[in-house]
Amino acid sequence: DSGVTQTPKHLITATGQRVTLRCSPRSGDLSVYWYQQSLDQGLQFLIQYYNGEERAKGNILERFSAQQFPDLHSELNLSSLELGDSALYFCASSSRLNTEAFFGQGTRLTVV
Amino acid sequence: GENVEQHPSTLSVQEGDSAVIKCTYSDSASNYFPWYKQELGKRPQLIIDIRSNVGEKKDQRIAVTLNKTAKHFSLHITETQPEDSAVYFCAAQIFTGNQFYFGTGTSLTVIP
Repeated sequence: DSGVTQTPKHLITATGQRVTLRCSPRSGDLSVYWYQQSLDQGLQFLIQYYNGEERAKGNILERFSAQQFPDLHSELNLSSLELGDSALYFCASSSRLNTEAFFGQGTRLTVV
Repeated sequence: GENVEQHPSTLSVQEGDSAVIKCTYSDSASNYFPWYKQELGKRPQLIIDIRSNVGEKKDQRIAVTLNKTAKHFSLHITETQPEDSAVYFCAAQIFTGNQFYFGTGTSLTVIP
């Protein structure tokens, strides 16, 4: 167990809908990263938050948004969902002192 | 930004043989290089990492080498076992707290 918790584990929804994925980082970790992994693909960096503020942005679509709350948990919001958004979404966290990033178990999103 | 390239994309070895995966990076300011192992349907897990002030690090059957001049680093797995079969990702980070740039992954198959 990495200490990073993601909910839900699985999500099936229809095209055009909106979903929210949740991530609780390891205790004390200030950085949260979101990654998208499509079938047999690599880890596509979406966005990073550090202590509540956006730190870095990757190839995140305008339909997607994220935030990190004062308790450091993070949510990734995906709207106007398309079939191509079906993927495994990972959250990772790292502390201020250590640079290791630990991944959650992921949320498998299926858009039908 | 940083660009990490990883080769090969697929690798098959006989059980007991060695496996080598290579990555190159573009930004000389990168100073932290982790390697992750991802088994099918599971989260990426950190297996070994190296910082820019070290040229080599070893942990049992796995080792990582770093050549800062050439801007490349490699993962070496000796005495491979079937349970080593997985996708391996290299990554680079410019400095603490910033995003990780991942390679595209290497699918390693160890043939019994």
